[in-house]
Amino acid sequence: EAQVTQNPRYLITVTGKKLTVTCSQNMNHEYMSWYRQDPGLGLRQIYYSMNVEVTDKGDVPEGYKVSRKEKRNFPLILESPSPNQTSLYFCASTSGSAQKTQYFGPGTRLLVL
Amino acid sequence: AQSVTQLGSHVSVSEGALVLLRCNYSSSVPPYLFWYVQYPNQGLQLLLKYTTGATLVKGINGFEAEFKKSETSFHLTKPSAHMSDAAEYFCAVTLDNYGQNFVFGPGTRLSVLP
Repeated sequence: EAQVTQNPRYLITVTGKKLTVTCSQNMNHEYMSWYRQDPGLGLRQIYYSMNVEVTDKGDVPEGYKVSRKEKRNFPLILESPSPNQTSLYFCASTSGSAQKTQYFGPGTRLLVL
Repeated sequence: AQSVTQLGSHVSVSEGALVLLRCNYSSSVPPYLFWYVQYPNQGLQLLLKYTTGATLVKGINGFEAEFKKSETSFHLTKPSAHMSDAAEYFCAVTLDNYGQNFVFGPGTRLSVLP
């Protein structure tokens, strides 16, 4: 089954404790991205990657890092989480240019105390 | 810069009534347009999209949307609401092939009343 998986689905942590949210897709998509969803703001793009070792900032990259060492994986790293990073996070991968369709993971709900 | 507005953060309709969710975008060139649906505790699912060709687009679950360039709009409609349509709906736009500048609207929560 074609899918995007994220882990963990729920995470409670404390300020300053480094964490990683994993994202993996099995559709051989080149393009992947991370979003955060906050009430009344919709989804805002954090980072995106057009291929292995190619990443770039989205609209709200501060406080986040990403890496793309393999085509299928695109982890999101919070080196020193802060309470304002409490949010719902989605990973997405995009099909070929003719389709322009993003496939979303199930989301990771993060609470930073 | 692109932006997307969705009129009404919360819309309520009765079961069997028409559903109309509004989306307007600002863009200097015609963008690619999308509607996504999010059910509680789930990720986003594509409802329909406009890339090129026919401006009236049909999607899943009986939804459709019409791209009107002159009005910079892409409103989502369904003739008859069902209880299972209760969810949050997001309009999104992008100008490029791979969507590195996907911009989402703030979302509209649809409630369906019995």
